Amino acid sequence: NAGVMQNPRHLVRRRGQEARLRCSPMKGHSHVYWYRQLPEEGLKFMVYLQKENIIDESGMPKERFSAEFPKEGPSILRIQQVVRGDSAAYFCASSIRDSPYYGYTFGSGTRLTVV
Amino acid sequence: DAKTTQPPSMDCAEGRAANLPCNHSTISGNEYVYWYRQIHSQGPQYIIHGLKNNETNEMASLIITEDRKSSTLILPHATLRDTAVYYCIAGNDMRFGAGTRLTVKP
Repeated sequence: NAGVMQNPRHLVRRRGQEARLRCSPMKGHSHVYWYRQLPEEGLKFMVYLQKENIIDESGMPKERFSAEFPKEGPSILRIQQVVRGDSAAYFCASSIRDSPYYGYTFGSGTRLTVV
Repeated sequence: DAKTTQPPSMDCAEGRAANLPCNHSTISGNEYVYWYRQIHSQGPQYIIHGLKNNETNEMASLIITEDRKSSTLILPHATLRDTAVYYCIAGNDMRFGAGTRLTVKP
């Protein structure tokens, strides 16, 4: 019974490159949430997706960031033309319904370092 | 969603109860209170949630005041492995605040 799987665990990118972070939700979960955690700071909500739909992207930066959750395969958080300020831990969570009452399960995160 | 206020840090002696407070004075009637914790740099871990009544599970107890404006998470016998940042969330869209950094000391 695998939990939420995120890969890669660590990702190093040079400024200007693209970063692609993957999240496979728990089996049976169709709701995915992405959070960003800057060093020594709390978790900041980025985006909430269901299969093939973006439900809430109010926390996403307006430029360079995008997310998808296709019908098949993992959810992808994509950061284009990365800058040093994008260095952070990115966490994905999944749930079975669209309410936290049913519990969010978090992955172990992807640590992005931009050099 | 209701804004939450937590002390930035707390210490607790190993084996003693850790009582972590949270104020959520603007919580509305149908909003739950959730507690998560983050150990070092791992992904957050669900602890407990409640609406009106006190709740208990294998990890902790949650005491919610009658007016629902505040709550307390209780770890009955804290261990060194309970050292973490504890987040209180009031509302249904899972916005995290700064949390309380609990340090359990031997």
